[in-house]
Amino acid sequence: QKEVEQNSGPLSVPEGAIASLNCTYSDRGSQSFFWYRQYSGKSPELIMFIYSNGDKEDGRFTAQLNKASQYVSLLIRDSQPSDSATYLCAVNMFGNSGYALNFGKGTSLLVTP
Amino acid sequence: SQTIHQWPATLVQPVGSPLSLECTVEGTSNPNLYWYRQAAGRGLQLLFYSVGIGQISSEVPQNLSASRPQDRQFILSSKKLLLSDSGFYLCACQTPGVGYGYTFGSGTRLTVV
Repeated sequence: QKEVEQNSGPLSVPEGAIASLNCTYSDRGSQSFFWYRQYSGKSPELIMFIYSNGDKEDGRFTAQLNKASQYVSLLIRDSQPSDSATYLCAVNMFGNSGYALNFGKGTSLLVTP
Repeated sequence: SQTIHQWPATLVQPVGSPLSLECTVEGTSNPNLYWYRQAAGRGLQLLFYSVGIGQISSEVPQNLSASRPQDRQFILSSKKLLLSDSGFYLCACQTPGVGYGYTFGSGTRLTVV
């Protein structure tokens, strides 16, 4: 069973702080890694994807990938109350389900004013 | 860019009744399409995926079925709903431009009573 693991949280950070969300995966053949944000009652929306070791930055968001250690993280700088949501980590590799994504259960983030 | 239309947004159905959820895609041709279910407190569970018209692969044996009658149409069905079918149903379209990540539809909240 290919696993994607996330701490369910909730992770609580004060407004303006850095939120750090982590994800580990079991399958070394995994090729691409994604972070989705899901507000309560809404569908997930893609924030970032990464496929090379190292950091990838987009505005206040930075994704970090370490394939040797099989983890991927998301940093949110200058956290805002509007960042309060569940963050889903997803991993894909070509397999029996084509390029289907395998999702973690998500980490709930609460940014307090 | 791709747009995923999914309807209805909410549905309350009695046990034993049939189900039909529809998903249509704009802005791309021959997409890989997926149906996921998100139950309360659980992660995203892959139900079906399709790489083309009439091509359906099932990930979870259950009383649900899927069909793809047209290139950009994906339908999820059931002949007789169970209580355990309740959940948030999401249609997703794979997007090569973002590392084969997904664009999600807005989802259908199904409650079986």
